[in-house]
Amino acid sequence: DVKVTQSSRYLVKRTGEKVFLECVQDMDHENMFWYRQDPGLGLRLIYFSYDVKMKEKGDIPEGYSVSREKKERFSLILESASTNQTSMYLCASSAPTTGPAGGYTFGSGTRLTVV
Amino acid sequence: GNSVTQMEGPVTLSEEAFLTINCTYTATGYPSLFWYVQYPGEGLQLLLKATKADDKGSNKGFEATYRKETTSFHLEKGSVQVSDSAVYFCALRGGSNYKLTFGKGTLLTVNP
Repeated sequence: DVKVTQSSRYLVKRTGEKVFLECVQDMDHENMFWYRQDPGLGLRLIYFSYDVKMKEKGDIPEGYSVSREKKERFSLILESASTNQTSMYLCASSAPTTGPAGGYTFGSGTRLTVV
Repeated sequence: GNSVTQMEGPVTLSEEAFLTINCTYTATGYPSLFWYVQYPGEGLQLLLKATKADDKGSNKGFEATYRKETTSFHLEKGSVQVSDSAVYFCALRGGSNYKLTFGKGTLLTVNP
């Protein structure tokens, strides 16, 4: 079965720490995405990547960066974690060859708490 | 730009009740439309989709019809079960845009 795997389900970090959230997909998908999910706000796109070493800002990139050194791995980096980055983080991937009709495959999410 | 508006929850129903979750959208061109479901503690799963006007997506007893004239994609199920308790997200993907645009989600709770 195809998968998107996020390295941690739960994470607790201290304010000011540099935090790495890892996501790996085994579907050879070109496109990968990072969202954060907050109550009442739904899913908001942080960054996405449509190829290795390529990245584009989403709707809320401030305070985040990303890395895509290999096709299967897309990392989200919180340069200096703050309490307002406490959230559920969801990684997803998709294949552009399916065109607009293709949906995303999501990971199970990482619930990050910054204290 | 693209946007999705879905009814706010929470929605609480008794088992075997009829479910409707409304979803309307704004988009240029002819988007594809999706419903995703998120069970407690999990990521999102694709529930159903429709790629052109008048298409009906269906899965697990859920249905939604792509209505271009009303720019809507309402989710329905004739008889809900406790196991349907989850958050439901309407989404669209348009043209060559890689990105899915999501609604804010609707929490459904089904009581026995």
